[in-house]
Amino acid sequence: QQQVKQSPQSLIVQKGGISIINCAYENTAFDYFPWYQQFPGKGPALLIAIRPDVSEKKEGRFTISFNKSAKQFSLHIMDSQPGDSATYFCAARKGGTSYGKLTFGQGTILTVHP
Amino acid sequence: DAGVIQSPRHEVTEMGQEVTLRCKPISGHDYLFWYRQTMMRGLELLIYFNNNVPIDDSGMPEDRFSAKMPNASFSTLKIQPSEPRDSAVYFCASSLKTNTEAFFGQGTRLTVV
Repeated sequence: QQQVKQSPQSLIVQKGGISIINCAYENTAFDYFPWYQQFPGKGPALLIAIRPDVSEKKEGRFTISFNKSAKQFSLHIMDSQPGDSATYFCAARKGGTSYGKLTFGQGTILTVHP
Repeated sequence: DAGVIQSPRHEVTEMGQEVTLRCKPISGHDYLFWYRQTMMRGLELLIYFNNNVPIDDSGMPEDRFSAKMPNASFSTLKIQPSEPRDSAVYFCASSLKTNTEAFFGQGTRLTVV
């Protein structure tokens, strides 16, 4: 059972454009939603995270939008740069467990063309 | 801090052999996680430890897989006997407390032929 569904699988954006990646979850016990960025040959690294008591969180060019009623959240990358080219994973964790015990989406390969 | 350190970075072994993957968490971190990454199944949690004690091993696929954490600075994931379908990238991660982010190592790419 895939508890966190991520789309699209791949995304191509021009430099300066907006990249949008979407995730949907099923389990209402989830209460922490991080996004991880992974470069080839490296481990995932935390990019930004949100809890369901807020609808949006912004850090620099990266914004998470969260819709609790729809059980959906998305990552927006403004002014996308070639250096943003990587695989992005959304994730979720159940309340009462460690922030490291995560259920991951399938990942989105982002390519930003110069 | 050097971050989470995993060894080896790459491992190629023959089917039926024993494989041991190693992890050194970030000093002072209480939690240690083992994840597996494949194209088909993505990133999956195998097992995690808190203060060297296994808390949840429900993600361990079979009895062929075992994990230990003999002390706060070292953990192993062992596969015996290994099979071609075990080929994947195995990540170790650690976190300071329950509600702090997990930091991932660079992973071990395992190929079983």
